[in-house]
Amino acid sequence: SQTIHQWPATLVQPVGSPLSLECTVEGTSNPNLYWYRQAAGRGLQLLFYSVGIGQISSEVPQNLSASRPQDRQFILSSKKLLLSDSGFYLCAWRYTSDTGELFFGEGSRLTVL
Amino acid sequence: KQEVTQIPAALSVPEGENLVLNCSFTDSAIYNLQWFRQDPGKGLTSLLLIQSSQREQTSGRLNASLDKSSGRSTLYIAASQPGDSATYLCAGGEAAGNKLTFGGGTRVLVKP
Repeated sequence: SQTIHQWPATLVQPVGSPLSLECTVEGTSNPNLYWYRQAAGRGLQLLFYSVGIGQISSEVPQNLSASRPQDRQFILSSKKLLLSDSGFYLCAWRYTSDTGELFFGEGSRLTVL
Repeated sequence: KQEVTQIPAALSVPEGENLVLNCSFTDSAIYNLQWFRQDPGKGLTSLLLIQSSQREQTSGRLNASLDKSSGRSTLYIAASQPGDSATYLCAGGEAAGNKLTFGGGTRVLVKP
């Protein structure tokens, strides 16, 4: 069966510090991978998606970047965090040639102080 | 651009009552529609996925319908239980298949 892992689960960082959130998927190959952010009162916002290694599409201009160094690994990064980067970050995956059901990880809570 | 709306934002029902959750979308060229459950501080759990060619999907006490012409989907939860308390989100998929647009969610409380 397929599983998705995200870490760290919780992170408190000062403004201006770097960020790295990691997501891995097990039990499948060549998945589509996604990073979403859920901020209080703003719903779920798609940040990045990837259809293959090294292929990243950005949905919203921002202080963040994403990378996919391996088939089942997706990393969300920032060089300098802003207060507005606080939120709940969710990684998700789905099959590339399936009906399109999306599966989410447990999320990473980021607080920028 | 697809917009997805869920009204009401919050709902409280007594245990045993049937739940009816609404989701509306603006673009009828929807690829699919997915319903999720989210517990506080947790990720999203997929409940049901309805393809654009389908009218409904069922799983246990859950039934979801899709009416593209009216731009609506409804999630029915029969005989609600306190364990059904959570936030329920719907999301519409674009034809390109790589983007889901989420509604704001409906927070449900089932009182024992």
